[in-house]
Amino acid sequence: DAKTTQPTSMDCAEGRAANLPCNHSTISGNEYVYWYRQIHSQGPQYIIHGLKNNETNEMASLIITEDRKSSTLILPHATLRDTAVYYCIGPQGGSEKLVFGKGTKLTVNP
Amino acid sequence: DAGVIQSPRHEVTEMGQEVTLRCKPISGHNSLFWYRQTMMRGLELLIYFNNNVPIDDSGMPEDRFSAKMPNASFSTLKIQPSEPRDSAVYFCASSLGVGGLTAKLFFGSGTQLSVL
Repeated sequence: DAKTTQPTSMDCAEGRAANLPCNHSTISGNEYVYWYRQIHSQGPQYIIHGLKNNETNEMASLIITEDRKSSTLILPHATLRDTAVYYCIGPQGGSEKLVFGKGTKLTVNP
Repeated sequence: DAGVIQSPRHEVTEMGQEVTLRCKPISGHNSLFWYRQTMMRGLELLIYFNNNVPIDDSGMPEDRFSAKMPNASFSTLKIQPSEPRDSAVYFCASSLGVGGLTAKLFFGSGTQLSVL
């Protein structure tokens, strides 16, 4: 079972920042938070991951709260091509496998 | 690197037939995962291997499903006999390892399976 909570859907205007929240209140100290996205009919694509500190790469930024119970994925300047389902993967409950939940369907509007 | 390669891209078969899906992971990756995706159930992990050894097959729906990884560069997922409810997109993914920093998955393009 996925142990993360995400909104079912979100909308964002093209060129604006998209902030996608995720709750992972049961995460333990050594478990990473991973974010993936899936564009229609393609395989999921890795975006970013983090443990404690905020992270940034060429695709996005990841902000993790100090208590690590939640995080936010930020797409700083959303484009139409960012329309996708975004998955947050948090606690693995000691298991090594990555379990995907339902994710957030982000729609970027022109 | 060509990424994770899956074949075939599309498979249409009749109920009762055997179906074999194939996957070539990224060279150097030690872990391989098989996922299934449907509208109703989302993305489900079926089985994963580490160093060619099956580690967790608790997601395999029933005995009709089997997976093998005879070497580090090839894996198969077999369904025998197939049923209409097996219709789904099947994804293969590979990673350097499992857990922690090594759990970054690279997915293939998937196999769209339709069982009539």
